[in-house]
Amino acid sequence: NAGVTQTPKFRVLKTGQSMTLLCAQDMNHEYMYWYRQDPGMGLRLIHYSVGEGTTAKGEVPDGYNVSRLKKQNFLLGLESAAPSQTSVYFCASSYRADGQPQHFGDGTRLSIL
Amino acid sequence: AQSVTQLGSHVSVSEGALVLLRCNYSSSVPPYLFWYVQYPNQGLQLLLKYTTGATLVKGINGFEAEFKKSETSFHLTKPSAHMSDAAEYFCAVSVGTQGGSEKLVFGKGTKLTVNP
Repeated sequence: NAGVTQTPKFRVLKTGQSMTLLCAQDMNHEYMYWYRQDPGMGLRLIHYSVGEGTTAKGEVPDGYNVSRLKKQNFLLGLESAAPSQTSVYFCASSYRADGQPQHFGDGTRLSIL
Repeated sequence: AQSVTQLGSHVSVSEGALVLLRCNYSSSVPPYLFWYVQYPNQGLQLLLKYTTGATLVKGINGFEAEFKKSETSFHLTKPSAHMSDAAEYFCAVSVGTQGGSEKLVFGKGTKLTVNP
């Protein structure tokens, strides 16, 4: 009963490096989301997907790209990491129906030096 | 546009005291409302949700919330705080751009401290 799994859990990057965060869900959810959490800011939506092969921008999409090639996976990419992207990143998923709650992973702590 | 305001970024209560965490929302359509809890170094867990029907919603761990349309509020309460309730709590409203409620807008969170 894994739910939403995020890989890796921790990562330290240097400015300018690239990396991909992986999110996998085993609940057959249509919708998937990437958030970042910063102190005092709550959760801010980066990108989301309403189905396989679709993606859309959220509140803070700049500097990030995403892909949803398979229904169960949602990838978040940083092409050229910047210190401002130091944050905790959360993936979530939900059923395609009004009022359905989102299920969250345990997060990825990312530090950009 | 939908938004959520959580009054008080930090709330401190004594063990056994009433817990009251405040949440006000703005929405142009009937909202779906959620409370999530986040323990240190973990993801968010659903506490309770309001969709339709009864305005008093009961959740896990003895928490409940009441939807008050006239006050645009969805405050979270628990009659008696326990040390294990210490965590950060987030209120969220569901919004949609494709005919459904596929996105959530979160408040900035309230960190609850429980003193022995």
